[in-house]
Amino acid sequence: AQKVTQAQTEISVVEKEDVTLDCVYETRDTTYYLFWYKQPPSGELVFLIRRNSFDEQNEISGRYSWNFQKSTSSFNFTITASQVVDSAVYFCALSEANRNFNKFYFGSGTKLNVKP
Amino acid sequence: DSGVTQTPKHLITATGQRVTLRCSPRSGDLSVYWYQQSLDQGLQFLIQYYNGEERAKGNILERFSAQQFPDLHSELNLSSLELGDSALYFCASSGRGLAYNEQFFGPGTRLTVL
Repeated sequence: AQKVTQAQTEISVVEKEDVTLDCVYETRDTTYYLFWYKQPPSGELVFLIRRNSFDEQNEISGRYSWNFQKSTSSFNFTITASQVVDSAVYFCALSEANRNFNKFYFGSGTKLNVKP
Repeated sequence: DSGVTQTPKHLITATGQRVTLRCSPRSGDLSVYWYQQSLDQGLQFLIQYYNGEERAKGNILERFSAQQFPDLHSELNLSSLELGDSALYFCASSGRGLAYNEQFFGPGTRLTVL
């Protein structure tokens, strides 16, 4: 069965601290895709990154970085030097390589509170 | 702005009523997805349409139905509403509905059932 687990329900940090959000997934497929979305207090869901199962290179985008490890079925997200504007709920999602549909399996989300 | 629009933004109604939520995908996107986000359930996939045809069903109740029209906009119909249907309903769209396509989400419709 396909499943995404975000064990951290809520994390609080002080501004400028680094923080890592964990994501562990389960799938039987050898080809799949992983995503991170951000949901700020305003409510909209914002796409952050997509990764396919064949590309285990870590990715860095400004203060954001992602660590994909197939061996541990994890796709963790690190925010360096966190800012108050990073406060949001972050969702990890899994999509399988089915040609007919693109069903996303979302984790339950991690709420990040960044305090000044 | 994701390019996906949803109306209305807020909807307040009573139990037993029926409502229709509307979604317009990004220009060029053929796939539309509906999700329900409630406090205790997280983001639940409801249904996907691709170019007018239903492609996948998730945890959608029989009281709910959806369709995608020739102009690719979609409507989600919720009937015999119950208190537990109160939630944020998101629509998302993607290019070809293939697994690698990220989904772009609309701002959501907040439904309150009193």
